Amino acid sequence: LQLQESGPGLVKPSETLSLTCTLSGGSISSSDHYWGWIRQSPGKELDWIASIYYSGSTYYNPSLKSRVTISVDTSRNHFSLKLSSLTAADTAVYYCARLDGSSLSFDPWGQGTLVTVSS
Amino acid sequence: EFVLTQSPGTLSLSPGERATLSCRATQTLSSSFSAWYQQKPGQAPRLLIYSTSTRAAGVPDRFSGSGSGTDFTLTITRLEPDDFAVYYCQQYDYSPLFGQGTKVEIK
Repeated sequence: LQLQESGPGLVKPSETLSLTCTLSGGSISSSDHYWGWIRQSPGKELDWIASIYYSGSTYYNPSLKSRVTISVDTSRNHFSLKLSSLTAADTAVYYCARLDGSSLSFDPWGQGTLVTVSS
Repeated sequence: EFVLTQSPGTLSLSPGERATLSCRATQTLSSSFSAWYQQKPGQAPRLLIYSTSTRAAGVPDRFSGSGSGTDFTLTITRLEPDDFAVYYCQQYDYSPLFGQGTKVEIK
């Protein structure tokens, strides 16, 4: 299984970021897994953003919940993230990853995509 | 507020030495959900250990995990040059949470 993030590398403050994670070599409709987004600001630790099950059940980081929407498209074998009201503090590498439903660990991860919020 | 604290922040060791990394939580957690990741510069994190002590596929047996309650440990028995990286612990308490990382650097 491989995951690949896609989306803009540069977005303006106050705008909405849209990212997509596309799977290859596996199905997003796996009953044993969830799918998640994690970000990492430059030089900082990992920060979980949100997770989703193929059925559409969603889970959000409370600190970001008001600005985040995660969705899944099983026909396209991908899931997506929208983050609104962007500020410079949202500048980070955004990773998508598979979340194991039993161990609640993330594996594998996409390579990550750097998103810079700047005017 | 649930917080994970990793120590030390930086570990300076030589190849062949033993590394012991700590992850402490502010509240008791399930050992079923304790994980460790390795991250090298410019790369995504790589899962090393899940469920406290189970090595992920392809992870060498010099990596081991242990712990329970609020204290969890990652041990690397004999450091190899490829092991110098940043290591993150992850726990779960209603949502996933990562520690701030321990950098293992060459002395």
